[in-house]
This record gives sequence, C-alpha cells and structure tokens, in this order.
Amino acid sequence: GQNIDQPTEMTATEGAIVQINCTYQTSGFNGLFWYQQHAGEAPTFLSYNVLDGLEEKGRFSSFLSRSKGYSYLLLKELQMKDSASYLCAADTGGFKTIFGAGTRLFVKA
Amino acid sequence: GAVVSQHPSRVICKSGTSVKIECRSLDFQATTMFWYRQFPKQSLMLMATSNEGSKATYEQGVEKDKFLINHASLTLSTLTVTSAHPEDSSFYICSARVQGLGEQYFGPGTRLTVT
Repeated sequence: GQNIDQPTEMTATEGAIVQINCTYQTSGFNGLFWYQQHAGEAPTFLSYNVLDGLEEKGRFSSFLSRSKGYSYLLLKELQMKDSASYLCAADTGGFKTIFGAGTRLFVKA
Repeated sequence: GAVVSQHPSRVICKSGTSVKIECRSLDFQATTMFWYRQFPKQSLMLMATSNEGSKATYEQGVEKDKFLINHASLTLSTLTVTSAHPEDSSFYICSARVQGLGEQYFGPGTRLTVT
C-alpha cells in the first residue's frame, strides 16, 4: 500500500531549530514535496527533492534518502509565523501526489 | 512562482443545489490540474485529476456524477458539486503542475458550507 508517516504535532521555541521527519512507502516514487499550510489556507510549496541529499533554501532545508524512504524538513531561526502545518507528500509518478496527514508546528516565545 | 487562482473563496449553499468552483492558472498553461478535498485537521485527499480536453480521472470512492469536472482550456478547470449535501461541506483546493517541472502549485481554496 501507500503510506506517508510524519509526527502529528511538534513544539519549538522561537529562534531554535526544528526537524520534521517523514517516512514514506509508495508503489512508485519520483520525488518528495514539502508544503507549509496555515490554518484555513491552501498549502504553499516549500521544496521538492528528487536526488538524495540536503537542499538548502534560506531558513528551510530539506533532506531526502531514497534508499531509506526518509525525508526531513529543517527549519532554522524559528519565527512565530512559522507556526503552521507542514505536509510531506510523495510524487508517485504519473502526476499522482500522496500527502501525509501533516505535522502541526507550534512556535512559542 | 506560478500562480493559481480559485473562485469563489467561500460559498454557502442550500442542500440540494449545485455549486461550481473555478480554478485558473494565471501565468502558465496547465495541461493537468488536480482537485483535493480537505476536512478539518485532516490531510488533503485527491479527488480527481483533470486533463485538458479529456475526461477527468477520479479516485476510488469519489462519485463522478456528483463531482463534475471540466477542463475546457489550458488555464481553466471547474468542479461542480451537484445536489450538495451537508456532508459535502469541506475545503476544496485545486492545484496545477508546471509542465516539465516538479513543483505543484495550489490555489487558495474554496470553503464550501452546505446548510
């Protein structure tokens, strides 16, 4: 079957670093998306990893290990506005994307 | 980045009526668009894949006669919820992928409330 697992909730302190993990099992795999979604809003694109390794984009970095079926999103210098849900999603090929349930991140002062 | 718009952003309708939601790619052509539904505190569930000029591909469990999808042009897809019921109340989100690239961009979503 197809399965995406990520923690339900995480809490971190403003200015800190947080890592949100995601494991996936899919019948096909082209790449791994990360999206940010604020309550009541649509998801916004953060990253798309195709190759193994770390990709850095400002305060956000995303890592992929295809052999382990594992990815993480790293958020540095946390800000209050980073409080949101973070969705891990697998591109299974043929344009089909499977979403995880999302990790709700709470950033406290 | 690519921009996808949706209209309306919010709609309230009575049970038994039909509602049409539009999804437009504003600055790129999208041969394929996707329709998702999201219930509170749940993840996005793909309802159907909309292909320009052909019939949509529906996910298992999604009634094609109830959720009508039309992808009439390279920049417009519509979802019509027919004979709406209160259980159809949800957040409906469309997305499109830029041809040749991996990124998938989402519209702002439409919150449907059926009374």
